[in-house]
Amino acid sequence: QQQVKQSPQSLIVQKGGISIINCAYENTAFDYFPWYQQFPGKGPALLIAIRPDVSEKKEGRFTISFNKSAKQFSLHIMDSQPGDSATYFCAASRLNTPLVFGKGTRLSVIA
Amino acid sequence: DARVTQTPRHKVTEMGQEVTMRCQPILGHNTVFWYRQTMMQGLELLAYFRNRAPLDDSGMPKDRFSAEMPDATLATLKIQPSEPRDSAVYFCASGPKLAGNEQFFGPGTRLTVL
Repeated sequence: QQQVKQSPQSLIVQKGGISIINCAYENTAFDYFPWYQQFPGKGPALLIAIRPDVSEKKEGRFTISFNKSAKQFSLHIMDSQPGDSATYFCAASRLNTPLVFGKGTRLSVIA
Repeated sequence: DARVTQTPRHKVTEMGQEVTMRCQPILGHNTVFWYRQTMMQGLELLAYFRNRAPLDDSGMPKDRFSAEMPDATLATLKIQPSEPRDSAVYFCASGPKLAGNEQFFGPGTRLTVL
């Protein structure tokens, strides 16, 4: 049973464009929704996270949009750069349980 | 700069051999996680510990995998005997809490079982 469904599996975006990755979850008890970024040969690293009391969080070019009623959240990367090329994972957790990760999205930003 | 360390970074072994992977969590973090990453399955949670006590290891094959924390600075993941299907990247992560906070991942151990 996959508790967090992530799409698309892969994404190609032109430099300067907007990258959008979506995640849907099933468990309404989830209360923490992070996005992790992973470069080849490295471990995932926290990029940005949101809690369900807000609908949007922005950090630089990265924005999480959160829709509690639809049980969906998404990552938007504005002005995408080749250096953003990586695999992105959404995740979710609830009290006293570890993160559940999506399957990942491989983003390629081409010049 | 505090970070999770893992050794070895790469391991090539033959089927049937024992493999031991080690992890040093960030000092002060009381929660340690082991993950396995493959192209097909993504990031799978194998086991996790809080204050060195195992909380859940239901994600790993019990007959061949074992995870321990001999002390607060060392977590180990053993596979005995190893099989080709165990080939993957194994990540250790640590965090200050079990849920609701950032997990800090190590660089991973890339395991190849021939």
